[in-house]
Amino acid sequence: EAGVVQSPRYKIIEKKQPVAFWCNPISGHNTLYWYLQNLGQGPELLIRYENEEAVDDSQLPKDRFSAERLKGVDSTLKIQPAELGDSAVYLCASSFTPDREETQYFGPGTRLLVL
Amino acid sequence: QKEVEQDPGPLSVPEGAIVSLNCTYSNSAFQYFMWYRQYSRKGPELLMYTYSSGNKEDGRFTAQVDKSSKYISLFIRDSQPSDSATYLCAMRNSSASKIIFGSGTRLSIRP
Repeated sequence: EAGVVQSPRYKIIEKKQPVAFWCNPISGHNTLYWYLQNLGQGPELLIRYENEEAVDDSQLPKDRFSAERLKGVDSTLKIQPAELGDSAVYLCASSFTPDREETQYFGPGTRLLVL
Repeated sequence: QKEVEQDPGPLSVPEGAIVSLNCTYSNSAFQYFMWYRQYSRKGPELLMYTYSSGNKEDGRFTAQVDKSSKYISLFIRDSQPSDSATYLCAMRNSSASKIIFGSGTRLSIRP
């Protein structure tokens, strides 16, 4: 079974440019998460989807970040315009819900470097 | 103060040693406790999942939760070089709430 797929794996852009990340969750997983992981830190939740609905986007900086999951399957996270401080790893994860253990399966992440 | 505190390491031990990794937390509402392993340039993978206090064993791994002390531990027996990774503790309160991760401990097992 394929895991969570993310693309691109690496992205280098100049500040003020837009950037987009794509995630395809494990087949059948209705919950999808986007996390931000800075160097030497644990992941921090940006947004959580249940099917097409964003049920928790309280940590998403909405002035420059946006996300969508139009058909309840794959998802796109966008930053426009990117800032130097956005350099980090962007992780996507998915899980079944309801699931008491809510095991989240993570993708390999997209490493973003903003110059 | 962070909700979850974890020693960043690095921690280096010889192969075969018992490893102890720890986290402390401040939110007494946390009920679900997890340990994730993250290899370099990979996403985290769930190792252990524990509800409330007590111990849970899975092969060479044992997770302990002491809610009275707000302290959780992961023990690795007979450590192997393949156990070299960053270990993240994580926790949450209810089934609908978000997971709070520790900053991770970098572990290296010397052959």
